[in-house]
Amino acid sequence: AQKVTQAQTEISVVEKEDVTLDCVYETRDTTYYLFWYKQPPSGELVFLIRRNSFDEQNEISGRYSWNFQKSTSSFNFTITASQVVDSAVYFCALSDPNAGNNRKLIWGLGTSLAVNP
Amino acid sequence: EAQVTQNPRYLITVTGKKLTVTCSQNMNHEYMSWYRQDPGLGLRQIYYSMNVEVTDKGDVPEGYKVSRKEKRNFPLILESPSPNQTSLYFCASSLGQANTEAFFGQGTRLTVV
Repeated sequence: AQKVTQAQTEISVVEKEDVTLDCVYETRDTTYYLFWYKQPPSGELVFLIRRNSFDEQNEISGRYSWNFQKSTSSFNFTITASQVVDSAVYFCALSDPNAGNNRKLIWGLGTSLAVNP
Repeated sequence: EAQVTQNPRYLITVTGKKLTVTCSQNMNHEYMSWYRQDPGLGLRQIYYSMNVEVTDKGDVPEGYKVSRKEKRNFPLILESPSPNQTSLYFCASSLGQANTEAFFGQGTRLTVV
């Protein structure tokens, strides 16, 4: 069965610290897609990144970076020099292209990040 | 601006009073779905639709109905709401391939008393 585990329920850091959010996934498929979404206090879900199973290159977008390692089934997310505006719940999700017509995402339970001034 | 619009954002209702949460997208997406988000349970899919007049159950469909008469709209209907349907609801749309991201509405916080 497919599963996404975000072991860190809550993380609290002080502004300008670096923080890594862990995501471990389980799937039997060789082709799959991984996503990160951000849910700020206002409640909406904001897409951050997509990664397919054949692309293990790390990605950097400003202060955000992602480390995808198939060997450990992990897709970790690092925020460098965190800011108060980064405070949110972050979700990792897995999509299975072999799930027939249903494009549902398998979600982790999220990591609540609090960045304190 | 590409967006998914849900209404209402907040709703308090009484047990048994039928309600509809609307969802509309302006991206011509084929695939739409509804999720509910509950503490400790994460996001769970309620229903999804691959295209007009094509809908199917997700993981937690009991107590809900949907329709897809037009490509842009995908309303969620609670015929007889109960307190255990108190939740945060999200509508999502995407192009329909597994490698495309889903766009989410702003969420509807429903309380059934």
